[in-house]
Amino acid sequence: QKEVEQNSGPLSVPEGAIASLNCTYSDRVSQSFFWYRQYSGKSPELIMSIYSNGDKEDGRFTAQLNKASQYVSLLIRDSQPSDSATYLCAVNLGTSYDKVIFGPGTSLSVIP
Amino acid sequence: DAGVIQSPRHEVTEMGQEVTLRCKPISGHDYLFWYRQTMMRGLELLIYFNNNVPIDDSGMPEDRFSAKMPNASFSTLKIQPSEPRDSAVYFCASGGEQETQYFGPGTRLLVL
Repeated sequence: QKEVEQNSGPLSVPEGAIASLNCTYSDRVSQSFFWYRQYSGKSPELIMSIYSNGDKEDGRFTAQLNKASQYVSLLIRDSQPSDSATYLCAVNLGTSYDKVIFGPGTSLSVIP
Repeated sequence: DAGVIQSPRHEVTEMGQEVTLRCKPISGHDYLFWYRQTMMRGLELLIYFNNNVPIDDSGMPEDRFSAKMPNASFSTLKIQPSEPRDSAVYFCASGGEQETQYFGPGTRLLVL
C-alpha cells in the first residue's frame, strides 16, 4: 500500500459546483496534512494545512480531516475555471519535516 | 522576498555530461528540499537539509546524484554523469517553522 493515495482523476465539475478531492494515508501517527495546487507547467503552491480533526475553512476552500479513518479531503465551493489544476495531498509521517510524503495528485477540470 | 530562486530554468544536455542545478532558498528558512517530478513517478523527495546539514538523502536515486549546501543561501544538486532517465523537472523548496514548503519555479532537465 502506498503511503499517500489520491484518485488520479481527471475530475471534471461544472463551474459553480462543489469539487471534492480525497486523500488517504497509511500511517496512523501522521500529524500534519497539506494541500498543494499545481497549475500545468508551474510549481506546487500551498493552499491549505490542517492538523486537527474536523473542518478548516479558508474562503472557498475547506479541508476536512478524519484521523480515525485516515483520510483528508479538500472541498472547493463555487468552483471556477481558474481552479483547474492538479491538487497534491501531502502528509507528514513524523514530526517537523521528518517525512513529508506527497500523493500522486488529482487533476481537476472545471468546465465553464 | 523574491521567493525560492532556481537556475537554470531549462537545461538540455547530452548523456554523460555533468549537470549542476542551483537553488537560493527564502531568507530565514532553515530547511531546504530537492524534489524530482515526472509523470510516471510524481513528486519525489531526493534530499533535504536542516541548517545546511543533510538530514535525509534516502531519495537520492544513485551515486551519480549529489547535493551540497555550503551556506544558508545556496544549494546545488549535481548529476554526473547524466542519463536520459534523469530527464524531469527538479524543484527546490524551502521551509520555516510550520512545516510548509515554498517551491521554486523548477528546472526542466532534458538529457538526450
